[in-house]
Amino acid sequence: AQSVTQPDIHITVSEGASLELRCNYSYGATPYLFWYVQSPGQGLQLLLKYFSGDTLVQGIKGFEAEFKRSQSSFNLRKPSVHWSDAAEYFCAVGALGAGNQFYFGTGTSLTVIP
Amino acid sequence: DVKVTQSSRYLVKRTGEKVFLECVQDMDHENMFWYRQDPGLGLRLIYFSYDVKMKEKGDIPEGYSVSREKKERFSLILESASTNQTSMYLCASSLLGNTIYFGEGSWLTVV
Repeated sequence: AQSVTQPDIHITVSEGASLELRCNYSYGATPYLFWYVQSPGQGLQLLLKYFSGDTLVQGIKGFEAEFKRSQSSFNLRKPSVHWSDAAEYFCAVGALGAGNQFYFGTGTSLTVIP
Repeated sequence: DVKVTQSSRYLVKRTGEKVFLECVQDMDHENMFWYRQDPGLGLRLIYFSYDVKMKEKGDIPEGYSVSREKKERFSLILESASTNQTSMYLCASSLLGNTIYFGEGSWLTVV
């Protein structure tokens, strides 16, 4: 069965520190992978996506993610976190086909301390 | 840019009322979705639609119905609202297997 796991419910980092948010997926075929960010009271905004090709993808706001097929992972990284990055982050896997469903992790809440 | 618009951001309804949540997308996407988001539970799929007048149940369809009479519009209906349906509702759309885009969300409180 398809699933997405974000092992960290909540992460706290200092402003300027590096960040890595973990995402593991279970999917029977080659997945399409996404990271979304959600600010309080808002919808989800796309940070980046991976469909094929280079396994290191760049996104908006200085984020990047690396697809590792052998580990079934798609971890999100940022070298230097800003206070405005405090938000909820969701990893998702999608598939082309009938129904075209997407599967989301339960999210990681990021707190940034000065 | 893709625009998914949820017309009602904040609603307060009484138990037993019929509630309509409206969603419109402007990118001619085939697929549209309704999710419910609750703390600690992430996003749960209520219904999705892959074409006009077509719909499929998601993970938690009980107590909800949907309508898609036009390609750009996907409505979520609570036939008889209950307090356990107090939540944030997110509408989304996508083009086949491509990226899914979300609206700003509708906060529903049932009292």
